[in-house]
Amino acid sequence: EAGVAQSPRYKIIEKRQSVAFWCNPISGHATLYWYQQILGQGPKLLIQFQNNGVVDDSQLPKDRFSAERLKGVDSTLKIQPAKLEDSAVYLCASSNRARLMSEQYFGPGTRLTVT
Amino acid sequence: SQQGEEDPQALSIQEGENATMNCSYKTSINNLQWYRQNSGRGLVHLILIRSNEREKHSGRLRVTLDTSKKSSSLLITASRAADTASYFCATAQGGSEKLVFGKGTKLTVNP
Repeated sequence: EAGVAQSPRYKIIEKRQSVAFWCNPISGHATLYWYQQILGQGPKLLIQFQNNGVVDDSQLPKDRFSAERLKGVDSTLKIQPAKLEDSAVYLCASSNRARLMSEQYFGPGTRLTVT
Repeated sequence: SQQGEEDPQALSIQEGENATMNCSYKTSINNLQWYRQNSGRGLVHLILIRSNEREKHSGRLRVTLDTSKKSSSLLITASRAADTASYFCATAQGGSEKLVFGKGTKLTVNP
C-alpha cells in the first residue's frame, strides 16, 4: 500500500511569513496526526484528527498554527506568522482506527527553516 | 512534555554486537511502541508491546516491558551498519491513541 505522502519536503521562509504543509494519509486510515520534531528531540503531537474532527489539539499554538482536514482525507497545517523557533521537521502520521491503539505510519516530513 | 526518556542518549558499537536501549516513563500506559528514524526521514514503527505483555520478539528485535518499574528495553541482536539510526520509545496512555515520544537514542553501528 502507498505510504503517507507529504509536501513540500523542504521549505525556507523568513520570520513573519506564512507557510502551509500538506499531508495525504494511507487510504482508509481515519486518524491523522501532525507532529513537530525539533532537532535532537522526539516528535511532539500538535493535533490529532479522527475523520474530519479534531480529537486533540492541546499542544497546538493556536495563535499562529491552524490545521484542517475538510473531507476526512487530506490535511493541511499552516503557520502564520512564523517565528524562528518554528524551525523543525513537521511530520504527518496516520493510523487505522479499527485497530485500537495501533501503530502509526509516518510520512517523510517537511523540514522547515525560518530565518 | 515528554513521557519517555531513553538511555543512553548515544550508543556506538561494532557490527555484529548487540545494542540495548532503555526507556523509562512516568504514568501508567496501555502500550509502549518503539520507532526507528533514519537521518532526515520519517519514523518507522518497529514493535508494539501491550501493558499486559512482558516480552516480545520481532526478527532481531527483543522488547521487554516492566510496568512495575515503568521501564522498557529494546535489544537489537547481531547489529548491522544499516541499523544506524535514532530509536524512540513512545507511550500510549489511557483511552487515547495519543503517543508521547522520548528524546531518542542515537545508535551508530560501525562496519
